[in-house]
Amino acid sequence: ETGVTQTPRHLVMGMTNKKSLKCEQHLGHNAMYWYKQSAKKPLELMFVYNFKEQTENNSVPSRFSPECPNSSHLFLHLHTLQPEDSALYLCASSQEEGAGNTIYFGEGSWLTVV
Amino acid sequence: GQNIDQPTEMTATEGAIVQINCTYQTSGFNGLFWYQQHAGEAPTFLSYNVLDGLEEKGRFSSFLSRSKGYSYLLLKELQMKDSASYLCAVMDSNYQLIWGAGTKLIIKP
Repeated sequence: ETGVTQTPRHLVMGMTNKKSLKCEQHLGHNAMYWYKQSAKKPLELMFVYNFKEQTENNSVPSRFSPECPNSSHLFLHLHTLQPEDSALYLCASSQEEGAGNTIYFGEGSWLTVV
Repeated sequence: GQNIDQPTEMTATEGAIVQINCTYQTSGFNGLFWYQQHAGEAPTFLSYNVLDGLEEKGRFSSFLSRSKGYSYLLLKELQMKDSASYLCAVMDSNYQLIWGAGTKLIIKP
């Protein structure tokens, strides 16, 4: 138990579907992150929220849409995805954004786009 | 560009010692992290180095040389449960974490 909970753990969706990934952290942190992890590739930062404000959007396609209603919850809304979007999506949190702040990951959501 | 290099895969024997190296070229430096990730699980924090030298934490130690852009993770008295991927990440001057692709460590009896 890492203190960061992600649902669903596994998701299969068609290219025309709309789905959402949910993340909740119980650590009292103020920064939350979405990462994409593909096999044998470095973790790719997608979005960062610090005190509910989006501070980073790493040129992510608009078919991925984040939402952060409060410091404890983070969503990733998915629509019209492509097969190459199939990957492990990791949510993470840290006390704040910045030096020395360790980030803590959730278990991840395995996404398969068919 | 920014780059983190670590070996793709290593094999070691139970009870032995293994050193996983990480070299980096980044714009600025605000610390280096090591994470462990078992297959199908979340990456979990192992260590953080911001000053040169060795940080020891039980069976695991992490070393940093900022002048050489180099770190290693040393695992002693290897156990089968240490089979996992080990991720090296550097925080750059913009406080962005730059990640390596990870080193898959295989422990054999």
